[in-house]
Amino acid sequence: NAGVTQTPKFQVLKTGQSMTLQCAQDMNHEYMSWYRQDPGMGLRLIHYSVGAGITDQGEVPNGYNVSRSTTEDFPLRLLSAAPSQTSVYFCASSYVGGWQFFGPGTRLTVL
Amino acid sequence: RKEVEQDPGPFNVPEGATVAFNCTYSNSASQSFFWYRQDCRKEPKLLMSVYSSGNEDGRFTAQLNRASQYISLLIRDSKLSDSATYLCVVNSMDSSYKLIFGSGTRLLVRP
Repeated sequence: NAGVTQTPKFQVLKTGQSMTLQCAQDMNHEYMSWYRQDPGMGLRLIHYSVGAGITDQGEVPNGYNVSRSTTEDFPLRLLSAAPSQTSVYFCASSYVGGWQFFGPGTRLTVL
Repeated sequence: RKEVEQDPGPFNVPEGATVAFNCTYSNSASQSFFWYRQDCRKEPKLLMSVYSSGNEDGRFTAQLNRASQYISLLIRDSKLSDSATYLCVVNSMDSSYKLIFGSGTRLLVRP
């Protein structure tokens, strides 16, 4: 099992650009989520999904979109990048109510 | 008030020391409790789940006090390799499957 994979590992964007962070898991987990982690702020939930076709907002959803067309994939789209979105992004998956496996993260810098 | 609060530390202890971290949570109905470990610039990884009766895994002991709404982690015989940030995790007020992460307690174990 590859577990949770994320691409890219690093990305630099200019303000106003859009991009998609990819996340995939091969554990047949129903629950997937995206977090951002900023220094001193801990992990903050952006969006989450409890199954294919079902998504919902977390604590900090503004500026991000998600979709869940398959159980395996949960991409995060940045619509118009802003410097405030410079962060480390983690994707995680789990069985509903269980502990979460994390991907290795994507380090995003917005200039 | 944050849903999950931790002392950020750092706790600076010598090898072989015993160290304890506490974490308080605000949702009295929470049912899922975990401790995660995060190394610098890496993804969080599950250290242990926390059960109502308390549980032990080698040098690590986790306790749950529902009446006072706090969780503790005790590390005995600290090793240099225990140096990391320890994240307290509790399920969310508004959802049993959403997890809320504390900001973490940093541990430094010195030779």
